[in-house]
Amino acid sequence: ETGVTQTPRHLVMGMTNKKSLKCEQHLGHNAMYWYKQSAKKPLELMFVYSLEERVENNSVPSRFSPECPNSSHLFLHLHTLQPEDSALYLCASSHSGRDNTEAFFGQGTRLTVV
Amino acid sequence: QKEVEQNSGPLSVPEGAIASLNCTYSDRGSQSFFWYRQYSGKSPELIMFIYSNGDKEDGRFTAQLNKASQYVSLLIRDSQPSDSATYLCAVMDSSYKLIFGSGTRLLVRP
Repeated sequence: ETGVTQTPRHLVMGMTNKKSLKCEQHLGHNAMYWYKQSAKKPLELMFVYSLEERVENNSVPSRFSPECPNSSHLFLHLHTLQPEDSALYLCASSHSGRDNTEAFFGQGTRLTVV
Repeated sequence: QKEVEQNSGPLSVPEGAIASLNCTYSDRGSQSFFWYRQYSGKSPELIMFIYSNGDKEDGRFTAQLNKASQYVSLLIRDSQPSDSATYLCAVMDSSYKLIFGSGTRLLVRP
C-alpha cells in the first residue's frame, strides 16, 4: 500500500460513454500526476498538477480532461474515447518544488474502450 | 525534449549473478533519481532513490549516480527469479516533472 488510491481498478466503457477516474492521496504531497501506459509502451506523462495548478499538458487529446479540486484529489474525466485509449492509467504523487522527494504510484485503473 | 534513456533489454542473467541496469538523462538540472520495479500488469513500485553523486546501497540493491556524466545505474546482487520484472528509471527534472525511461526488462534464469 503506497498511500495513493485509485478507483475504479477496472473500467470498461463504450466510445459514447462519459466516465471519471479518481485518485486520492493522504501523504501530504502537493504534486499529482496522470500517466498512461499502453501495452508494450513506456509510461507517458499526461498531466501534472503542482499546488492544484496544472503545469503540464503533454498534447493530450481533449477527450481527456483532468481536474484537481485540492491537493489530495485528482480526477481524469473521460468522454468519447477511442479503442486505442485502452491502457493502464496510473496516478502518482510527490512533493513539488522540493528536492529529494519520492513519488509513489496508485495501483492504476485498467481501462478498456469497446 | 527532456529524455530518459534505457536499454529495453531483455537483460538475461543467471540466478545468483549481478544484474546491472543503466540509465542516462538529458536535463542537467535534474536533482532526484529513482528506480522503480514493475511486474506485468501492476503499477510501478519504488525500490531505490538517489540524490547525491556516488553509491547508495539498500540490501541487494545499489544505486550509482554520476551527475557529470548524467548517468544513473542500478546493481542487483545475488539476483533471484523473483527479481524478473521491468525496471524503470525516473528523473525529477528541473521543473519538478517526473520523467520515466522506457524500462529495461530483466530476466533471471533459475
